[in-house]
Amino acid sequence: SQELEQSPQSLIVQEGKNLTINCTSSKTLYGLYWYKQKYGEGLIFLMMLQKGGEEKSHEKITAKLDEKKQQSSLHITASQPSHAGIYLCGADVKDTGNQFYFGTGTSLTVIP
Amino acid sequence: NAGVTQTPKFQVLKTGQSMTLQCAQDMNHEYMSWYRQDPGMGLRLIHYSVGAGITDQGEVPNGYNVSRSTTEDFPLRLLSAAPSQTSVYFCASSYGELAGVVGELFFGEGSRLTVL
Repeated sequence: SQELEQSPQSLIVQEGKNLTINCTSSKTLYGLYWYKQKYGEGLIFLMMLQKGGEEKSHEKITAKLDEKKQQSSLHITASQPSHAGIYLCGADVKDTGNQFYFGTGTSLTVIP
Repeated sequence: NAGVTQTPKFQVLKTGQSMTLQCAQDMNHEYMSWYRQDPGMGLRLIHYSVGAGITDQGEVPNGYNVSRSTTEDFPLRLLSAAPSQTSVYFCASSYGELAGVVGELFFGEGSRLTVL
């Protein structure tokens, strides 16, 4: 959506390498969410960030929220083939009623 | 728990045909929504509902109708299918307890629709 800009569009990394995906909102957020989608499957919730400076981790995936910039980053440490898939950021955007927006997604390939 | 169930998983239509994608959730969620996913465009919101009897349009509502007669069900209707509606469709739901806040969305497995 125009409200959420996600980058990069795709990533190809060697197994063991670190990587970062960014998501920026043009409007004020209630909350920023990260989802993962395996190819051809539904979306799996990873984590939610609501407060500025908040940082959450799940296994080797860490997400941070910069409230001033309305930006979130998702960082994967020591990537593995199991991390491959599409990562999407989603957001509750203020003053848009009950519309939940998604970024365009980042396709991640991890080469063994 | 079944969560969010979508049917059918695959469907092929001819231009001009009509069909309904079914979505049901058993989590007593007030908020339900439909998205379409196209390559390079992420998920785009078609329609959403904050409760039984209430529906509203999202980013790309043209060509689609919805209704919400019960809390559990939120069907998406294509009245006259067009090739541009070829896509993967996802239904999602959430508790949506706070006004203006959707919260964590729970997704169905998707329905792949091809319009010839």
